[in-house]
Amino acid sequence: QQQVRQSPQSLTVWEGGTTVLTCSYEDSTFNYFPWYQQFPGEGPALLISILSVSDKKEDGRFTTFFNKREKKLSLHIIDSQPGDSATYFCAATPSNTNKVVFGTGTRLQVLP
Amino acid sequence: EAAVTQSPRNKVAVTGGKVTLSCNQTNNHNNMYWYRQDTGHGLRLIHYSYGAGSTEKGDIPDGYKASRPSQENFSLILELATPSQTSVYFCASGDLNSDYTFGSGTRLLVI
Repeated sequence: QQQVRQSPQSLTVWEGGTTVLTCSYEDSTFNYFPWYQQFPGEGPALLISILSVSDKKEDGRFTTFFNKREKKLSLHIIDSQPGDSATYFCAATPSNTNKVVFGTGTRLQVLP
Repeated sequence: EAAVTQSPRNKVAVTGGKVTLSCNQTNNHNNMYWYRQDTGHGLRLIHYSYGAGSTEKGDIPDGYKASRPSQENFSLILELATPSQTSVYFCASGDLNSDYTFGSGTRLLVI
């Protein structure tokens, strides 16, 4: 079934802490996993992405991990900043289409 | 700069009225998508298109129509708006080897 489960629905962390968001899926045809970041009043924008042939991708303070055997992925934000406060969507794309399946989103609040 | 532009930014409509949301992209992407975003539901796909003249039903198409008259333009049409269609609507464009680019959204209130 083409569904992506995301947790938690909302999360509050202190400035400087580490944020961890997780997602799981069931469809084995998914092979590309982007994460989108959405600030209030704006559309989602690509933050970081990973292919199923990799298990880790890093971009500054943001790292995404992929576990193919368990069909899970996660987003880690180290040294979280108030400017990271946003809604984060994990997503998955099957190998033969561009049709992205989105998770339900995590609303992150980073307190100073 | 390549972009996705939505209009209007905000819209108030009366129940039973017709509403048209417009989207224009300069990315030269073949595929375009309409989503609605509601708290607790994330992004739900309403309609999408593979190119000019094509429209496909997404996961929640009931009560919505779509039109793709050109590569650049993709419209979402609510023929008979209902209060349950109050939401934030996002348009996106993308291709097989490119990520989605989203517009800034249209906030629709149906009263």
